[in-house]
Amino acid sequence: EPEVTQTPSHQVTQMGQEVILRCVPISNHLYFYWYRQILGQKVEFLVSFYNNEISEKSEIFDDQFSVERPDGSNFTLKIRSTKLEDSAMYFCASSADRGRGYNSPLHFGNGTRLTVT
Amino acid sequence: GDSVTQMEGPVTLSEEAFLTINCTYTATGYPSLFWYVQYPGEGLQLLLKATKADDKGSNKGFEATYRKETTSFHLEKGSVQVSDSAVYFCALSMFSGGYNKLIFGAGTRLAVHP
Repeated sequence: EPEVTQTPSHQVTQMGQEVILRCVPISNHLYFYWYRQILGQKVEFLVSFYNNEISEKSEIFDDQFSVERPDGSNFTLKIRSTKLEDSAMYFCASSADRGRGYNSPLHFGNGTRLTVT
Repeated sequence: GDSVTQMEGPVTLSEEAFLTINCTYTATGYPSLFWYVQYPGEGLQLLLKATKADDKGSNKGFEATYRKETTSFHLEKGSVQVSDSAVYFCALSMFSGGYNKLIFGAGTRLAVHP
């Protein structure tokens, strides 16, 4: 079964550094998402992306964050200047079509654990 | 705003025991409801879903019924196995004009011992 792949599985970076988290969504999917989970807290929506533009973003997704689909397969999340509070597990997801979830369930990757020191 | 509350874990059970993980939600409209599962070292997988009141979602022996009157979606399984050990997330989705923006609960860790 096709799956969403994320690299790296664990990223350690120093505060103030830029970091790029990479995701390869399922190949025929059209909608892409980033979620994050701070240790011990809820999984939170960050951003959704369709047709090469952001569809919706949360309050968390400020000017330090950006997303890009640089080619036909990758979907990246960039954090320009990392802060300690950016340490979290970041999940990429994709879905095939627009809908109320039951028509197009999200498929999640295994996540990238980001540690900012 | 919309939110999901689920029982704190960890939940520790012996094999073949009955499982209940409570989940309640707050929503301004009529959400779709989901249970996701995360096995160790893996991503979030959709376990089951329900889209309207009184719907029952089921998969792999797990069940949950969408109860509008109590705003609940409790997960149950009659006889758990060691392989069910994982973290379980209750979630809701509102069609807000966006896409599948899921709102998750905090997750409940289940540990099943032989």
